[in-house]
Amino acid sequence: VQLVQSGAEVKKPGESLKISCKGSGYSFTSYWIGWVRQMPGKGLEWMGIIYPGDSDIRYSPSFQGQVTISADRSISTAYLQWSSLKASDTAMYYCARNVGNYFDVFDIWGQGTLVTVSS
Amino acid sequence: QSALTQPPSASGSPGQSVTISCAGTSSDVGGYNYVSWYQQHPGKAPKLMIYEVSKWPSGVPDRFSGSKSGNTASLTVSGLQAEDEADYYCSSFAGSNILLFGGGTKLTVL
Repeated sequence: VQLVQSGAEVKKPGESLKISCKGSGYSFTSYWIGWVRQMPGKGLEWMGIIYPGDSDIRYSPSFQGQVTISADRSISTAYLQWSSLKASDTAMYYCARNVGNYFDVFDIWGQGTLVTVSS
Repeated sequence: QSALTQPPSASGSPGQSVTISCAGTSSDVGGYNYVSWYQQHPGKAPKLMIYEVSKWPSGVPDRFSGSKSGNTASLTVSGLQAEDEADYYCSSFAGSNILLFGGGTKLTVL
C-alpha cells in the first residue's frame, strides 16, 4: 500500500501547476485522499479531501478557491492544482489516505512534492 | 478556525516519560473524539501514531499513548528512546469540512 507523488517543481509567480498522487496496493476508489501543506519550517495545514469513488470534494475554508482537487480513478491518481501560483505557495505538499470517519485519520502518506515559486 | 495549540518544544532523557498537550475548544478537541497524533522526522512524511484520541495503528509501540480531558488532548511517550526525537502534531475534526492541526511540538531526547 503506497502513495507516490510527482517530483519537485520550480515555477514562476502566475504560472499554473498540477501535482499528482498515485495510489497502489489498495482499492483507490474506496478511501478519501487528503492534501496537506507544510510551508518551510512550519506546521501541517489541511487543504481538502476527495473521494475518488465519486469525486466528492471538500475544501478547507482556508484553501477554497485557491486550489483545485481532482482525481482520475481510472489511473488511481489524485491531483492538486493551481491556476496562478504565488510565492506564498512555496511549500511541501503531501497527499495522504484517510481511514477515519471524519477526515481525521491519515494512515498512509505520500513522500511529498516540494513546490518552489520564485521569480 | 485557529490551529490547535501545542507547546513548541518538549524534552526528556532516555527512559523517561514526556507528555505533549494539544489545546483546542469545545468546537474541536472538546466536541469530538477524533483527535490524532502524527510523528514527523526531519525531511520525512508524517506518520500516524494515535487516532480517535487513544487508539494505536498497527505497528506503533504502546509506549505512545493518547488521552483527552475537556478541550485538551495529550500524547504521552513513555520509556523515551533516541528515535522518538521528532516533531509531533495533533489534529482534530472541527465539524463540517474542517480538520485542524496543531502547530507542532519538537521533542528532544536529551
